[in-house]
Amino acid sequence: DAGVIQSPRHEVTEMGQEVTLRCKPISGHNSLFWYRQTMMRGLELLIYFNNNVPIDDSGMPEDRFSAKMPNASFSTLKIQPSEPRDSAVYFCASSFGTGNYEQYFGPGTRLTVT
Amino acid sequence: GENVEQHPSTLSVQEGDSAVIKCTYSDSASNYFPWYKQELGKGPQLIIDIRSNVGEKKDQRIAVTLNKTAKHFSLHITETQPEDSAVYFCAASRPTGANSKLTFGKGITLSVRP
Repeated sequence: DAGVIQSPRHEVTEMGQEVTLRCKPISGHNSLFWYRQTMMRGLELLIYFNNNVPIDDSGMPEDRFSAKMPNASFSTLKIQPSEPRDSAVYFCASSFGTGNYEQYFGPGTRLTVT
Repeated sequence: GENVEQHPSTLSVQEGDSAVIKCTYSDSASNYFPWYKQELGKGPQLIIDIRSNVGEKKDQRIAVTLNKTAKHFSLHITETQPEDSAVYFCAASRPTGANSKLTFGKGITLSVRP
């Protein structure tokens, strides 16, 4: 298995632009998680899905952030409009369930907003 | 909600020595405690986990101990090697089901001096 696939690996954009991050989970996993990692705040859970349904989006910082999972093999995290403080590494992870299951992380997308 | 704290934030040891990383958690309902290792430029990867029905678990050079009464758990690495240098995250979650999600600590940077 190729593991969790994220694209792009690096994204540099200007403030105000729309950014879309993409994730393909491991086949057979039914839970998908989006995290943001910064030096100041560590690893923060933004939102997670179970069977393609959003379960908890309490970590989404603002209405500028949105996430979708149209099917079991694809998810997007969108930021519109982007701001410099959104600069971070965004990870997608998938697992066989929520809570007490190993999460498999993708390589991350490093986002820089200038 | 759950709050997970790691101490110290950085740790430097001599190759061959042991390293101990400690975590505390706040939610007495948590019953699953994994440890993740993150190497530079990669996503976190599970290295060992423990459930609340056991007090200790070992896997070759790494071990995890859990004290439910005090609500803390620790990662022990023996005979450290340069490849152990990485960021280590502890996490906690409730039993699988509603409100079950991993809460991560902020991470500790372990440096193994050759």
